[in-house]
Amino acid sequence: DIQMTQSPSSLSASVGDRITITCRASQTTSSYLNWYQHKPGKAPKLLIYAASALQSGVPSRFSGRGSGTYFTLTISSLQPEDFASYYCQHSWTFGQGTKVEIK
Amino acid sequence: EVQLVESGGGLVQPGGSLRLSCVASEFALSTFWMSWARQAPGKGLEWVATIKQDGSEKYYVDSVRGRFTISRDNAENSLSLQMNSVRAEDTAFYYCARILVVTDTDWYFDLSGRGTLVTVSS
Repeated sequence: DIQMTQSPSSLSASVGDRITITCRASQTTSSYLNWYQHKPGKAPKLLIYAASALQSGVPSRFSGRGSGTYFTLTISSLQPEDFASYYCQHSWTFGQGTKVEIK
Repeated sequence: EVQLVESGGGLVQPGGSLRLSCVASEFALSTFWMSWARQAPGKGLEWVATIKQDGSEKYYVDSVRGRFTISRDNAENSLSLQMNSVRAEDTAFYYCARILVVTDTDWYFDLSGRGTLVTVSS
C-alpha cells in the first residue's frame, strides 16, 4: 500500500498568514491526491481533489499543487474559520494530519 | 439539504457488538459507492470499509476484516456497519462518507456525516 506522509504535524499561524502543508507519497499517485479539512464535531470537508481542483463552494484562498509523489496545500490568507486539521488522501490511505492552530 | 446522518454509537464492552447506521437525505444513495471512516481520540482519519452501489463488492481495512460488516439498504437510502468482537482500539468517531470514483485506483469522499461516537470499555 502507498503511504502518505504529511508535514508539519502541527503549525501555529496568525490570521492573514500564508501557510503551506506538504504531503509525500511513498510511490507515485499520478495526480490522484485529495485534501480535507476537519474540525472537532464536524463532518470532514473535501477541499481539493485531483491535486489541484477546488471543490465547489470552497474559498479560492485554498489551492493545491503537485503530482507524482509530492503535493502541497496552500492557504493564501488564513481566516479564523480555517483553524482546523487538514488531511491528504489517496485511495484507502490518509496522511496523519496537520493541525493548524492560532498563534 | 444533501446530508448524511449517522446514529447507533455508544458504550460497548470489549468483545461486544454494535450496529451503526447512516441515512442519506436529498440524494439517492443507490448511485454511489459508500464508506465508513473513523477517527480515534488524538489520532487522524482512517478508512474502515467501502461498499459498491449494489453491495456486490466490499472492502475492509485489515484491522477490522472478519469482525465488521458493511451493508446497505438502497430502498431505505441507508448504510450500516455491524461491529462484532469490538476492541478498545475500535474506540473512535465513525463517519459515513459518499465516494466519487475517478478511476479503479482513485476516488475521493465528497460528502461526509458528522459522525457517531463508539466507546469500547468495560
